[in-house]
Amino acid sequence: ILNVEQSPQSLHVQEGDSTNFTCSFPSSNFYALHWYRWETAKSPEALFVMTLNGDEKKKGRISATLNTKEGYSYLYIKGSQPEDSATYLCAFYGGATNKLIFGTGTLLAVQP
Amino acid sequence: DAGITQSPRHKVTETGTPVTLRCHQTENHRYMYWYRQDPGHGLRLIHYSYGVKDTDKGEVSDGYSVSRSKTEDFLLTLESATSSQTSVYFCATLVGANSPLHFGNGTRLTVT
Repeated sequence: ILNVEQSPQSLHVQEGDSTNFTCSFPSSNFYALHWYRWETAKSPEALFVMTLNGDEKKKGRISATLNTKEGYSYLYIKGSQPEDSATYLCAFYGGATNKLIFGTGTLLAVQP
Repeated sequence: DAGITQSPRHKVTETGTPVTLRCHQTENHRYMYWYRQDPGHGLRLIHYSYGVKDTDKGEVSDGYSVSRSKTEDFLLTLESATSSQTSVYFCATLVGANSPLHFGNGTRLTVT
């Protein structure tokens, strides 16, 4: 059973705060690590697909890093805004199986 | 998104009845996935397909079967629906490991 874990489960921050979440995943058979943003009543929206150890990706105020040797990825949000409120999901793609397994997500609430 | 249509969008059915959910894509993506969304569990993989007639089990496959007779359609069947299968079901497609998942709009299934 592939174990993909995210922490914290939920986070409440004030507008303007910077925040970060963690995704941990198996370090064997690694092929890719995905990050998605998921708003209530919508479908998940892709943020990043990361494949290389040491990879860093950025999209506006959101960035992510990847460490495949130790099996973790961080997602950072700089200067959080209320519209950043959503659940952030990571997903592990194991090349041997073609399965994409999600973590349980981090629910972010940004108070104005 | 990527021309993915899920049908029906909403369904209410009784315990013990068979139910089939359909996922149709127009983008010729090779990989297709069925997930269920439940509070506290994020997205859990039910079954997936890596080509026509090639399918495999995910994390929570008991009570579900799938079929993929052509590239564009991936059917999820609940052989005998139970109340524990009340959930929102998402279909997703993938071009390849370095690409993000494209999600359908979800099917809300209620088993009474």
